[in-house]
Amino acid sequence: KAGVTQTPRYLIKTRGQQVTLSCSPISGHRSVSWYQQTPGQGLQFLFEYFSETQRNKGNFPGRFSGRQFSNSRSEMNVSTLELGDSALYLCASSSATGSSGANVLTFGAGSRLTVL
Amino acid sequence: AQKITQTQPGMFVQEKEAVTLDCTYDTSDPSYGLFWYKQPSSGEMIFLIYQGSYDQQNATEGRYSLNFQKARKSANLVISASQLGDSAMYFCAMREGRGSTGTASKLTFGTGTRLQVTL
Repeated sequence: KAGVTQTPRYLIKTRGQQVTLSCSPISGHRSVSWYQQTPGQGLQFLFEYFSETQRNKGNFPGRFSGRQFSNSRSEMNVSTLELGDSALYLCASSSATGSSGANVLTFGAGSRLTVL
Repeated sequence: AQKITQTQPGMFVQEKEAVTLDCTYDTSDPSYGLFWYKQPSSGEMIFLIYQGSYDQQNATEGRYSLNFQKARKSANLVISASQLGDSAMYFCAMREGRGSTGTASKLTFGTGTRLQVTL
């Protein structure tokens, strides 16, 4: 069973540019969520998508956006990049059936963004 | 207020020894879930173990067990018989509420503990 796939793995951008990151969830998983990991702020929740709808959003500015396609693949976009956006962006998928239980998140290897 | 607290920034353990990684949490929601993840230097977060707030018994998964003390709001991870491959960052995380369909993914993470296993 293929895991969560994130592309690209590494990328370098300059301030003011925009970036799009992609995430393919585990087959059958309909929920995709995104996290930002930085040395200073740690792991922070960005947003969650389920059936092409954003269900939950973290405390990030509007420059951070995302979407989910009908095949559950997701993209996140960051516009007008700032130096502080340099981070590891992790995507996770889950079945999110809403029933009791773990609904474990399975994470991808991440996309490491460097903003110069 | 910090919802997940991991007070040990780094720990060392000898191979084949057991180690306990501390985690305390804060929530007023009676329904919540606690997770432990491992992050090697490659960056991928690997799920280790889960404990639900209503679970009567401590969770176990192979060499991993969770020492869940609900009244103290602690959920410590115990790794038995440490191996060199256990060297990594370990994160405790919490999801508040049972979650409804499509809202299962918002986890609050602690700052992590870096575990180094030595010969």
